[in-house]
Order: sequence, then structure tokens, then C-alpha cells
Amino acid sequence: NAGVTQTPKFQVLKTGQSMTLQCAQDMNHEYMSWYRQDPGMGLRLIHYSVGAGITDQGEVPNGYNVSRSTTEDFPLRLLSAAPSQTSVYFCASSPAGWNSYEQYFGPGTRLTVT
Amino acid sequence: LAKTTQPISMDSYEGQEVNITCSHNNIATNDYITWYQQFPSQGPRFIIQGYKTKVTNEVASLFIPADRKSSTLSLPRVSLSDTAVYYCLVGDGEDNNNDMRFGAGTRLTVKP
Repeated sequence: NAGVTQTPKFQVLKTGQSMTLQCAQDMNHEYMSWYRQDPGMGLRLIHYSVGAGITDQGEVPNGYNVSRSTTEDFPLRLLSAAPSQTSVYFCASSPAGWNSYEQYFGPGTRLTVT
Repeated sequence: LAKTTQPISMDSYEGQEVNITCSHNNIATNDYITWYQQFPSQGPRFIIQGYKTKVTNEVASLFIPADRKSSTLSLPRVSLSDTAVYYCLVGDGEDNNNDMRFGAGTRLTVKP
């Protein structure tokens, strides 16, 4: 199993540009989520999904959209990039069961917005 | 929303046992307590999870008192490679949704 994969590893955007960060998992996990981590800070939840077709907002959803058309994929879209979105983005997945909080994290995407 | 409080940083020396305590006063009845480890430039990695009393695996032990309002992660005989940030998480005790909230974590520095 590849686990959780994220692409790209690095990305530089100009203010106002849009892009999609890709996330895929091959463990058949129901639950997937996106976090951002600013330098020296903990992770903050952006959006999450408890299954295909179901998404919900986390702590910091503004400026981001998600969709979950398949169990495997959970892309994160930046609608109009802003310098405040410069961060490292992590995708994670975990098995079904809302008390099962063992999440598997991807390697991250480092995004810089100029 | 269930909140956790951890020390911001801790120092230790190789070979010592390290105990990191997390407070979670409003933990819900069905919530589990989970600890993650994060190295620089990597995603967090699951260490251990428990509900009550004591849980032990090949990496760490987790001690949870009867009232479950705190928990202690114990790392036996740490090495330099245990230098990392450690996060304590509990479930959302208010609305039973499945999101997870990370706090700032505890930055552990192991010295030679």
C-alpha cells in the first residue's frame, strides 16, 4: 500500500491564482481530512469528509473548497490564493468509526503564495 | 469543543524517561485520547490511543486516571531521535462529529 499520497510536494502561486491540491489513499478509509500548518504552529483542520459524497467544514474553511466523489480521493481547491494561505498542507485518512482517531498523514504540500 | 492543554516544551537527556501530561477537563464519555508525534517537515504519526487506565505498545505507554480529565504519555529511555512535537487529542465532546482538533503540542528536545 502507498498509504496517503499528496501532490504536488511544493507549489508557488501568485495572489489570485487558483489550484487544486491532490490527496489519495489506498487503504479504503472512510474518513479523510485536510489540515494546514503554519510555521511553529499546530495543525488546523480545514475540511473533512466522513465518506464519499459527504464533506464538512473544520476550523479554517474560508478560501477552500473540497469534494469527495470517491472513497480514494479528496482534493482541496484554493479558489483565489492569498499570501495568508502560505502554509504546509497535510491530508489524512482514517478507518470508519467516529471514535477511531488513528489518522494516517500524507507527506504534505508546501505552498507559497506571493 | 473538547480542548487540551499541554506544556509548550520539555527538555530531556538520552536514556531518561519522559512524561508529557495533557489536560482535557471536558472530555466526553465516549471520547478516546490519542497521541501523535511529528518530526520537522513530516506529517504527524500515530503513537498510542486509550480510553482508561493504562495502554502500552512498543513505543510508549499512556496513563489515564479514573476521572479521565488528564492523560500522561510516557516515553521510556528516550534517544536523540525522539526529539519531536507531541500532540494530545480528544474527540469533540459536544456534537459527536468526527473532526479532530490539534493543539500547539509539546516540543520535546532530547539532549546527548
